[in-house]
Amino acid sequence: DAEITQSPRHKITETGRQVTLACHQTWNHNNMFWYRQDLGHGLRLIHYSYGVQDTNKGEVSDGYSVSRSNTEDLPLTLESAASSQTSVYFCASSESTAGGSGETQYFGPGTRLLVL
Amino acid sequence: EDQVTQSPEALRLQEGESSSLNCSYTVSGLRGLFWYRQDPGKGPEFLFTLYSAGEEKEKERLKATLTKKESFLHITAPKPEDSATYLCAVGGNSGYALNFGKGTSLLVTP
Repeated sequence: DAEITQSPRHKITETGRQVTLACHQTWNHNNMFWYRQDLGHGLRLIHYSYGVQDTNKGEVSDGYSVSRSNTEDLPLTLESAASSQTSVYFCASSESTAGGSGETQYFGPGTRLLVL
Repeated sequence: EDQVTQSPEALRLQEGESSSLNCSYTVSGLRGLFWYRQDPGKGPEFLFTLYSAGEEKEKERLKATLTKKESFLHITAPKPEDSATYLCAVGGNSGYALNFGKGTSLLVTP
């Protein structure tokens, strides 16, 4: 079955280190998204991609970057981890190039990141 | 700016006690309203998409409805396994991104 996976599922790192979270989907979806989820804030969009070589900033993009070299993967990089980036990170994907935000997004299991 | 407000923040029900969760929204050109279920330690699981006022969708004990300003998730005769956080999100004309509410945490006790 097609799916979306994230790795690692749990990560502890130190302030200032570079961290990369992986996201891989086997649906062949064009659109991929990264969110963070914090108590009191709900899910907030970090970055998103409409296709290979396309990336866009979301609501809370400072300190994060993404690159899209193929359809299946959208890794999220924290350039220099900060304690404020301690959170749960979710990757999602949706199919259409034409449906816009009316397309259903399917989520991965999440990565729990702790920055000490 | 798109906004989504969910109420109540938390809800405790006895098994079999029906109730409704509310999602109020403002959006520039609704493309879709989405309901997700999230269990602790897991990613959001898709439940329903509603596209226009008057639309309704059902799945087991859950029924989602949509008006021009809000959506309701009706839970009929809930069971303990329905305990979860229920998230509402809207997509508008601003692109592909969804705007999420903070969720309603539902606890169903035997």
